[in-house]
Amino acid sequence: DGGITQSPKYLFRKEGQNVTLSCEQNLNHDAMYWYRQDPGQGLRLIYYSQIVNDFQKGDIAEGYSVSREKKESFPLTVTSAQKNPTAFYLCASNPGTVGNTIYFGEGSWLTVV
Amino acid sequence: GQNIDQPTEMTATEGAIVQINCTYQTSGFNGLFWYQQHAGEAPTFLSYNVLDGLEEKGRFSSFLSRSKGYSYLLLKELQMKDSASYLCAVEDYGNNRLAFGKGNQVVVIP
Repeated sequence: DGGITQSPKYLFRKEGQNVTLSCEQNLNHDAMYWYRQDPGQGLRLIYYSQIVNDFQKGDIAEGYSVSREKKESFPLTVTSAQKNPTAFYLCASNPGTVGNTIYFGEGSWLTVV
Repeated sequence: GQNIDQPTEMTATEGAIVQINCTYQTSGFNGLFWYQQHAGEAPTFLSYNVLDGLEEKGRFSSFLSRSKGYSYLLLKELQMKDSASYLCAVEDYGNNRLAFGKGNQVVVIP
């Protein structure tokens, strides 16, 4: 079945460490996104990519980095520069044309210990 | 830029009707989406409005007024499983990015 796979589901990070969250989609979608959600809050856009080898900063990109070397993959690295990384991270994709909903992965919970 | 506002929480009785409002301000508008999100899970798509008026899908309906920057989601015949957060999101003109409101938590009680 087609879909978006995020891994790991749960991740613990020590202070000062970088961690990478994986996102893979087999929907043949051009556009991919990373959102962060804090408890009781909406989704905030970290980075997005509309095509391979290109990506743009969202509203809260500081302390994060991404790459888009393949159409299927859009990994997110949470660097040590991100001072408050504990949150629920959602990867999403859509075909890249106007009016299409985005489809979400199941999310990854990151906790700093 | 975009500014999306939703009320935070409401409680309703099983079988009742509830309306969730969303107001937005945006420099460009390509459509408005509604999503349902259960605690600890990813959002799931409910509806999409790009033209003014009402879109009906079973127990859920969504309304849009572009001139007023206003939308609502109407949930009819509430069921316990409808207890969730409801997010509205506006698609920005020209770049396919969605800006989300903070969500409205609906609690359904027997």
